[in-house]
Amino acid sequence: AAGVIQSPRHLIKEKRETATLKCYPIPRHDTVYWYQQGPGQDPQFLISFYEKMQSDKGSIPDRFSAQQFSDYHSELNMSSLELGDSALYFCASSRAMYPGGNYGYTFGSGTRLTVV
Amino acid sequence: ELKVEQNPLFLSMQEGKNYTIYCNYSTTSDRLYWYRQDPGKSLESLFVLLSNGAVKQEGRLMASLDTKARLSTLHITAAVHDLSATYFCAVEQGGSEKLVFGKGTKLTVNP
Repeated sequence: AAGVIQSPRHLIKEKRETATLKCYPIPRHDTVYWYQQGPGQDPQFLISFYEKMQSDKGSIPDRFSAQQFSDYHSELNMSSLELGDSALYFCASSRAMYPGGNYGYTFGSGTRLTVV
Repeated sequence: ELKVEQNPLFLSMQEGKNYTIYCNYSTTSDRLYWYRQDPGKSLESLFVLLSNGAVKQEGRLMASLDTKARLSTLHITAAVHDLSATYFCAVEQGGSEKLVFGKGTKLTVNP
């Protein structure tokens, strides 16, 4: 079965550079979520999109932005990178269930970002 | 604001023994999830618990949910080395689909 695809798997950037992470959700999933997991930490919610519109926002720095495109893939753009941005970045997708909720989340394999 | 607490955070156990991981959360929620994570890997979904009294079992793992007590447990029966991993519970924030995770329980099963 198709899974959530994230690219790249690994990324090394220098301080103050920019990075773009990509996420391709499971086909027919309409919601995408981004989480950041620091070393030894629990995942922290960054932002989500439903039908290409931002649906919720968490502790996402102003230096980060994200969007969901017409084909439902999503990109997380990170600028002015700092050492503390080094983390695993997970994307998850789900399909909305009406009148509320969803059919569950599927997480991608993650992108490991290292800022040096 | 929803808070999720797991305990213990670290658990070292012998093969063949039983143990329980606890997950408490602070506000009403419809759904609770358990995930397994191996070092540097993704989050593998173990259980989704949707209602009070829900109990699910898969192999040596059994999860339960008491929404009145805002408590979920993950019970490990006759542990084996392959169960060594970090286990997270996660709760859906009310009014959104955002997941709030516990700090995780790092389980080490020793031969």
